[in-house]
Amino acid sequence: AQSVTQLGSHVSVSEGALVLLRCNYSSSVPPYLFWYVQYPNQGLQLLLKYTSAATLVKGINGFEAEFKKSETSFHLTKPSAHMSDAAEYFCAVSEPERDDKIIFGKGTRLHILP
Amino acid sequence: EAQVTQNPRYLITVTGKKLTVTCSQNMNHEYMSWYRQDPGLGLRQIYYSMNVEVTDKGDVPEGYKVSRKEKRNFPLILESPSPNQTSLYFCASSLGQGWLGNSPLHFGNGTRLTVT
Repeated sequence: AQSVTQLGSHVSVSEGALVLLRCNYSSSVPPYLFWYVQYPNQGLQLLLKYTSAATLVKGINGFEAEFKKSETSFHLTKPSAHMSDAAEYFCAVSEPERDDKIIFGKGTRLHILP
Repeated sequence: EAQVTQNPRYLITVTGKKLTVTCSQNMNHEYMSWYRQDPGLGLRQIYYSMNVEVTDKGDVPEGYKVSRKEKRNFPLILESPSPNQTSLYFCASSLGQGWLGNSPLHFGNGTRLTVT
């Protein structure tokens, strides 16, 4: 069965600095991987999705993530943080063509320091 | 506009008083699901539905019921709410999950439930 681990429940970065949110997964087959973002008082929305077409995936709002099979990682990055990036971020994994649901990590809350 | 609509957004109730949280999607999605979100625990799946009249338990189904009589609606029913069901609830839908495919989930804006 698949699982996902997000390192760090809270991450703080200064405005303009690099954002790095870590996600490691386990899966018995090549997985689909997702990052979702949750802004205050809202539901989750898709940031980006990996489906094996390309290892570097670009998402909305300048975020991107790189799939590294050897490290079983799918870390989320953004070169320059903006105050509007303050939110909670969830990594998720699912196994294509299997009767398995999508599994979410516990989330990382990103704080942006002025 | 494509969306998942949950109602109500906020609900305060007392122990044992039956309640229903409604969820409706206008995207003709096959798959619908309910999650609860609690601090430090992330999102946990309560129930899901692969299609009309097909529902199944998620990770934390105790104390909840669901039904899927129509494709667009997937209500969450708490027959006898208890304080440990105080949480933030999300409904989500997608074209499919598992053997139906692995499409991204679309979420509603959440229902904050407090049971006293």
